[in-house]
Amino acid sequence: QPQLQESGPGLVKPSETLSLSCTVFAGSVSLSTYYWGWIRQPPGQGLEWIGSVFHTGSTYYNPSLRGRVTMSVDTSKDQFSLNLTSVTAADTAFYYCARLRSWEPGIDYWGQGTLVTVSS
Amino acid sequence: QSVLTQPPSVSAAPGQKVTISCSGTSSNIGNNYVSWYQQFPGTAPKLLIYENNKRPSGIPDRFSGSKSGTSATLAITGLQTGDEADYYCGTWDGSLSSIFGGGTKLTVL
Repeated sequence: QPQLQESGPGLVKPSETLSLSCTVFAGSVSLSTYYWGWIRQPPGQGLEWIGSVFHTGSTYYNPSLRGRVTMSVDTSKDQFSLNLTSVTAADTAFYYCARLRSWEPGIDYWGQGTLVTVSS
Repeated sequence: QSVLTQPPSVSAAPGQKVTISCSGTSSNIGNNYVSWYQQFPGTAPKLLIYENNKRPSGIPDRFSGSKSGTSATLAITGLQTGDEADYYCGTWDGSLSSIFGGGTKLTVL
């Protein structure tokens, strides 16, 4: 069973770029039947899908964040990453990396999540 | 505001049955499978139901899912205090664009 682990700064200043990485252990990002994605959850609120990346580098982003989000994948390290530019306090949230199935909407493995606070 | 509509909260006594609804449209639930997730405070969501009504290995058969048209339902029978959690429905809106409901807090009285 794969395990996913997020890493990155827990504090980002307003207008700067939020950068997170996710390492997949006991699994491979090169599996053709899965996408790799990021989901966030502001404290006390619901889930929001940010985007997904395929091992080929193809990406799908939430339209509400398009223009600020870029995702990439490094198959040699079994890692994928998230960059979110021009952050504001509204981007403060728990950020989860996850494995998404390509044949149906289920998200079957999640990282433990990391809290990113946007504050000066 | 979430694309999928769930009741903010539901409650029932131990041993009873509770249902949680998830309402969408023809562009999301109407044309895609629905998943359900269970989330305890301070932890990541966990896949509970996929493809409308299938359970991953290890999920008790007390949890079941169904879908009809543009709505889906999660049912939990034989409620236990350990089932107290937040529950989210999810699906696609268009191809590979994930969306979620706003979440439902289950209280076991």
